[in-house]
Amino acid sequence: RKEVEQDPGPFNVPEGATVAFNCTYSNSASQSFFWYRQDCRKEPKLLMSVYSSGNEDGRFTAQLNRASQYISLLIRDSKLSDSATYLCVVDPYNNNDMRFGAGTRLTVKP
Amino acid sequence: DVKVTQSSRYLVKRTGEKVFLECVQDMDHENMFWYRQDPGLGLRLIYFSYDVKMKEKGDIPEGYSVSREKKERFSLILESASTNQTSMYLCASRPPPGGATEAFFGQGTRLTVV
Repeated sequence: RKEVEQDPGPFNVPEGATVAFNCTYSNSASQSFFWYRQDCRKEPKLLMSVYSSGNEDGRFTAQLNRASQYISLLIRDSKLSDSATYLCVVDPYNNNDMRFGAGTRLTVKP
Repeated sequence: DVKVTQSSRYLVKRTGEKVFLECVQDMDHENMFWYRQDPGLGLRLIYFSYDVKMKEKGDIPEGYSVSREKKERFSLILESASTNQTSMYLCASRPPPGGATEAFFGQGTRLTVV
């Protein structure tokens, strides 16, 4: 079983749609959680950290469920510019050993 | 503006060649990483370093070595390039642990071994 698993997609949604991605992780001792965004042929960049209480940044909402060992990312009112691959990242021991999911590809269409 | 810079965007090398990938960061971070990214597999850690002259193996160190002689520079070396090392290579740096710290990536080096 992979340490971090994501649905690879692709997710093809119209502008304005709400889309949600899930990510599961295997190490119950994991400490830190993140969503990174990677545009085509570019490097990953931090989208948001995921906190235990859940957190929101504009149209983006991240949730953590420790009991079920998954994190989620919700994007509301999708924009064309949201088209990218979204990487789920788990830091098992908060010691820099980041574990990446393979990514979920999102395409937002006009 | 923080920066992680990789020496090449694209490289084509022949099988058996020794290949050097260079990475420099300007954020004074202790921790630096080398990943490779392949379709369907995500980012896999090759090596990381938490201080000058220190290195730790990641998940897939075979066929690779690293060098960290200065804090700002972390080099990945392919001792004898093989076609299965054709991949996108990403360097990253990160502050020491202690909270949810962001990793910063270089722009990537797409290496093709022929």
